[in-house]
Amino acid sequence: SAVISQKPSRDICQRGTSLTIQCQVDSQVTMMFWYRQQPGQSLTLIATANQGSEATYESGFVIDKFPISRPNLTFSTLTVSNMSPEDSSIYLCSAPTANYGYTFGSGTRLTVV
Amino acid sequence: AQTVTQSQPEMSVQEAETVTLSCTYDTSESDYYLFWYKQPPSRQMILVIRQEAYKQQNATENRFSVNFQKAAKSFSLKISDSQLGDAAMYFCALKPNFGNEKLTFGTGTRLTIIP
Repeated sequence: SAVISQKPSRDICQRGTSLTIQCQVDSQVTMMFWYRQQPGQSLTLIATANQGSEATYESGFVIDKFPISRPNLTFSTLTVSNMSPEDSSIYLCSAPTANYGYTFGSGTRLTVV
Repeated sequence: AQTVTQSQPEMSVQEAETVTLSCTYDTSESDYYLFWYKQPPSRQMILVIRQEAYKQQNATENRFSVNFQKAAKSFSLKISDSQLGDAAMYFCALKPNFGNEKLTFGTGTRLTIIP
């Protein structure tokens, strides 16, 4: 199945700054998904990223705060903009696999101070 | 819209024993997939087992098996011969078989293995 490399694995950032998270897939995938996982909680979908079109955001998430790029079928980035301590979370990317499952990146643990 | 409910926030089991994690769901779709994912402290989401709704036979993967009751919309995970490495958060998830292929996750069950 596909393998996703996600980086950085963790970062500590100052409030008001931005962080860009990258995910590289070892095969071409039509869709990629970005999730947020707050401490001790489940995964919440931020947006779906399709190559060649704008990302589709879930309720409560906006493009100005979480801009996403999808320049090709193997790569995507999520930027967390103008960060506040409430943005401290784990961020994960994901992509469908051939057997109808999903593979995930290893996650980025973000701490905003 | 889909919902996935895991009513057990925490479970524990003695090493080598069997444990069952519960999951119920709701969907208006007739064709969908159900998944159990494991998330150890490393944060990596690992697919444990997958069930296709149109298949009546319960999926099995080594020590992991499911009890899929479609009419009851229930999808429980049984772990046999529990091992220390099974300690993790377990998430139940659902995906319709067409349209936007996003997963809907339950709230998770934290499984502790007692040596």
